[in-house]
Amino acid sequence: DAKTTQPPSMDCAEGRAANLPCNHSTISGNEYVYWYRQIHSQGPQYIIHGLKNNETNEMASLIITEDRKSSTLILPHATLRDTAVYYCIVRVWGGSQGNLIFGKGTKLSVKP
Amino acid sequence: GAVVSQHPSWVICKSGTSVKIECRSLDFQATTMFWYRQFPKQSLMLMATSNEGSKATYEQGVEKDKFLINHASLTLSTLTVTSAHPEDSSFYICSAIWDRASGNTIYFGEGSWLTVV
Repeated sequence: DAKTTQPPSMDCAEGRAANLPCNHSTISGNEYVYWYRQIHSQGPQYIIHGLKNNETNEMASLIITEDRKSSTLILPHATLRDTAVYYCIVRVWGGSQGNLIFGKGTKLSVKP
Repeated sequence: GAVVSQHPSWVICKSGTSVKIECRSLDFQATTMFWYRQFPKQSLMLMATSNEGSKATYEQGVEKDKFLINHASLTLSTLTVTSAHPEDSSFYICSAIWDRASGNTIYFGEGSWLTVV
């Protein structure tokens, strides 16, 4: 799986949008971008994934650049409960392939 | 709600004993599950891939005789830490692939804290 690069930490004010960047310059054509987050002492929580189109769900939006070499996870109105480590992972789609390889992620701190 | 459940959430055991952790997929069948270990302030590290009806595939450096994995059904995988020692104390997390018509996503359990005393 391709390697991803994320900033180690970010701060965000409560109620504001949190924009978390991720670089995946060596991504292959059949690899998807996944985002997970891990709140302290819990298992990772799935947020969103995408291939090349922008995606939105009830939790977040995912913006993928046209060349697919980077993406941004957007939490539109961050709350204190969004404080967590966010992981950007690229993975081949399908079947039993693609155990997730975790990097160090971005520690997002949402402040009042 | 949770789609993958782990049990127990935390366990304390004596050195030399064995501990079993269960991972269940809820409302879906998972032919493949994964087991991770996470030490404090570190990222998740894949230990093994659990395949229903066949032997698990272990990552390099993980002792298969110490960390026994059994994927006996399409909704249950178990990890048994045999002859546990204090250095095995860690956060153990499982995940399962959910294949749906809308896509293929991996979901994680809540994790299990193991403390060996």
